[in-house]
Parts: sequence; C-alpha cells; structure tokens
Amino acid sequence: AQRVTQPEKLLSVFKGAPVELKCNYSYSGSPELFWYVQYSRQRLQLLLRHISRESIKGFTADLNKGETSFHLKKPFAQEEDSAMYYCALSVGSFNKFYFGSGTKLNVKP
Amino acid sequence: DVKVTQSSRYLVKRTGEKVFLECVQDMDHENMFWYRQDPGLGLRLIYFSYDVKMKEKGDIPEGYSVSREKKERFSLILESASTNQTSMYLCASSFMSGVQPQHFGDGTRLSIL
Repeated sequence: AQRVTQPEKLLSVFKGAPVELKCNYSYSGSPELFWYVQYSRQRLQLLLRHISRESIKGFTADLNKGETSFHLKKPFAQEEDSAMYYCALSVGSFNKFYFGSGTKLNVKP
Repeated sequence: DVKVTQSSRYLVKRTGEKVFLECVQDMDHENMFWYRQDPGLGLRLIYFSYDVKMKEKGDIPEGYSVSREKKERFSLILESASTNQTSMYLCASSFMSGVQPQHFGDGTRLSIL
C-alpha cells in the first residue's frame, strides 16, 4: 500500500534557524513526490516537486530512495514561512495523490 | 494561471439534507478530485474523475457521490448529510498525461448541524 508519513505535527523554530520537515513514503514503484504549502486562509499551493530539483523560496528537497524519504529543508527560516506543509506522493496513471497528515511550521521572531 | 473555483466558502446544513458542493476549473484539465481536510489526518481522497461521466472511488467514498457532466465541472454530493461529514472540502484538478501537480480551490468549510 502507498503511504506518506509526516511524523511531526508541529515544528517551532526561531527566525534564521535551519528547518527540516520530514517526509517518509512507502511505495513499491518509482516515486513521484511533491511538497505543498498552505498559508493561513489561503489555498493549498505547490511548493516544489522532486523531478524539477529546483529551489522555491529557499526550500529544497532531495529524494533519498534508500531511506524512502523526501525531507524539506531551508537553511534560514523566515517568519513568512509559517504555514502548514504537506508531502504528497503521486501514484498511477490517473495522477492520484496520497498526502501526509501535514506539519505545521511556526517560525518565531 | 490555473483557476479552480469552489462555489461556496462556508456552508451550514442540517443532518439528513442533500448537499451539493460545486467545483469549476478553467484549464481544460482531464482529472478532477474531491478531498476532505481534517486536522491531524491531512487530505483524504473521496472521489476523482478522469473524464466526463467517469468517476472512481477514493479512500473514503462512503456517504458521498459525485457527478461530472461537463469537463470543467465536478460536483460532490452528500446524499444525507451527517454530523461526521463536518469538514473542509477541497477540490483539485490536473492534467492526466505524465506526472502533473494538482491545483486546488479555496475550499468549502461545511458544517452539518
């Protein structure tokens, strides 16, 4: 079965500190992974996808197939990064997604 | 820019009522999805559709049905609303070919009293 695990419900860091939001997946095929972000009172929006290997708003994520992980990292957190973050796994020909339970990031001043 | 529009931001209904949630997308996407979003549970897929009049059950279809009569519109129907269906409902759409990101609407916060 496909499954996405985000072990932390809440992560609090100070502004300027590094941040890592964890995501582990379980999938027997070749994984296609995404990170989505939801700022307060806004719609869920795509942050990045692993195949593009780009950095968005200073965030990066590397797929580690050995550890079945796709952790989201940023070297210096900003207050505006405070939001809910979801990791998602795309499965099958219908582009069906499985989402993790989400991690709320709180960046303190 | 992709636009996914959900008809209501907030909705209050009573138990036993038949409830319709509407979603429209303007990007000619083949795929459309309905999720419910609950704290601590993330997003769970209710139903999805990959073409007009085609539908597939997601992980939690019980108590729900869907309708897709036109490519741009995907409706979620609560046949007989119950209090445990109080939730945030999100609609999403995507292209079918290849691995594509899903694009989300603003959500409908539904309360069943």
